[in-house]
Amino acid sequence: DAKTTQPPSMDCAEGRAANLPCNHSTISGNEYVYWYRQIHSQGPQYIIHGLKNNETNEMASLIITEDRKSSTLILPHATLRDTAVYYCIVRVATGNTGKLIFGQGTTLQVKP
Amino acid sequence: EPEVTQTPSHQVTQMGQEVILRCVPISNHLYFYWYRQILGQKVEFLVSFYNNEISEKSEIFDDQFSVERPDGSNFTLKIRSTKLEDSAMYFCASSEGGRGIEKLFFGSGTQLSVL
Repeated sequence: DAKTTQPPSMDCAEGRAANLPCNHSTISGNEYVYWYRQIHSQGPQYIIHGLKNNETNEMASLIITEDRKSSTLILPHATLRDTAVYYCIVRVATGNTGKLIFGQGTTLQVKP
Repeated sequence: EPEVTQTPSHQVTQMGQEVILRCVPISNHLYFYWYRQILGQKVEFLVSFYNNEISEKSEIFDDQFSVERPDGSNFTLKIRSTKLEDSAMYFCASSEGGRGIEKLFFGSGTQLSVL
């Protein structure tokens, strides 16, 4: 699985968009980008995933560059409850067994 | 929204004792997992389970660990002889399908303290 690089921490003002970057320059063509978050030692929570195209759901948007070497998770209107550690994970698309490799992630602090 | 339920939320045990951590996955899910997180460290994969057998396990998941789906609803992790270094938060997770969509649903965890 491709390695990912994320900034260790970021701040965001409440109500503003939070843009969390992830570098995955060694990603292969059959690997998806997944985003999870972990709020204060709770179980990780799935946010979104994508392969090539940008994706949006009720929680966030995922922007993947054309060369797929990096992506950005966007929380459009961050709230205090979005304060969490955000993990960018890359996984192959087939033959998976649910083995997610979590890195250190980005600690997002949303401030009033 | 359906959720993964774990019991107990906290478990304290003496070194060398056996512990069983319990989980009730989401009812229509077919794939089950255990992860753990030592305080201040990364979330680590332990094992995945499908069709009543282990699909994959990590190096951490040695002979002291075992998993079981004793009935149609529960999924358990047993540690036969606990060590101090087994102290961690243990997360159970489940997913609907293993065909490349790693949308796992995690429980709130069991905090295991080995004294």
